[in-house]
Amino acid sequence: DIVMTQSPDSLAVSLGERATINCKSSQTVLHSSNKRTYLAWYQQKPGQPPKLVIYWASTRGSGVPDRFSGSGSGTDFTLTISSLQAEDVAVYYCQQYISSPPTFGGGTKVEIK
Amino acid sequence: EVQLVQSGAEVKKPGESLKISCQVSGYSFTSYWIGWVRQVPGTGLEWMAIIYPGNSDTRYNPSFRGQVTISADKSISTAYLQWSSLTASDTAMYYCAKYGNNAYFDYWGQGTLVTVSS
Repeated sequence: DIVMTQSPDSLAVSLGERATINCKSSQTVLHSSNKRTYLAWYQQKPGQPPKLVIYWASTRGSGVPDRFSGSGSGTDFTLTISSLQAEDVAVYYCQQYISSPPTFGGGTKVEIK
Repeated sequence: EVQLVQSGAEVKKPGESLKISCQVSGYSFTSYWIGWVRQVPGTGLEWMAIIYPGNSDTRYNPSFRGQVTISADKSISTAYLQWSSLTASDTAMYYCAKYGNNAYFDYWGQGTLVTVSS
């Protein structure tokens, strides 16, 4: 299985400041033939199910604010929240879906400083 | 509006059987894979299994193969996850979720908490 490693485990950011979450895969998630990157990000608020934030490494999910952006290639990826809002407090997970079974990172908890 | 509505919380004893459900609406049930994800309290997410309701094709995470069974009833747009003999290690929140155009989950159910305790 592909191992997804997130860092940091948690971070505290002031309102309006940038939050950056990292995700590293044990193997490339770039498909050699179609050149697509099989990486998604999810947001899970306390007591709620996960919500899709980013797919194909950089495409925002339905209704996701444009302060969320995804970047990276190969094995190293980043989720950036450009201006942290109170409603962004959550645990964020990356997921690879190039290889079965799809696997998730361990999560990064984002809090307000 | 896409909705996935799961059955309610369950409390079971070790050795008992269980079947939880996920009824969908707002999209063509037979046209997308749907699956189950486990979340042990306070921990991360584990992909368990998926099914394509159009032809009942299934895929399992090897870690869960033989431990659970995924199924679907097209007539009522409902997916199921079942256990024949629960153990305490099955205590977790279980989410059903729909695949998008590839193996990422674009819509999720609200979760079903399963507690197994003697």
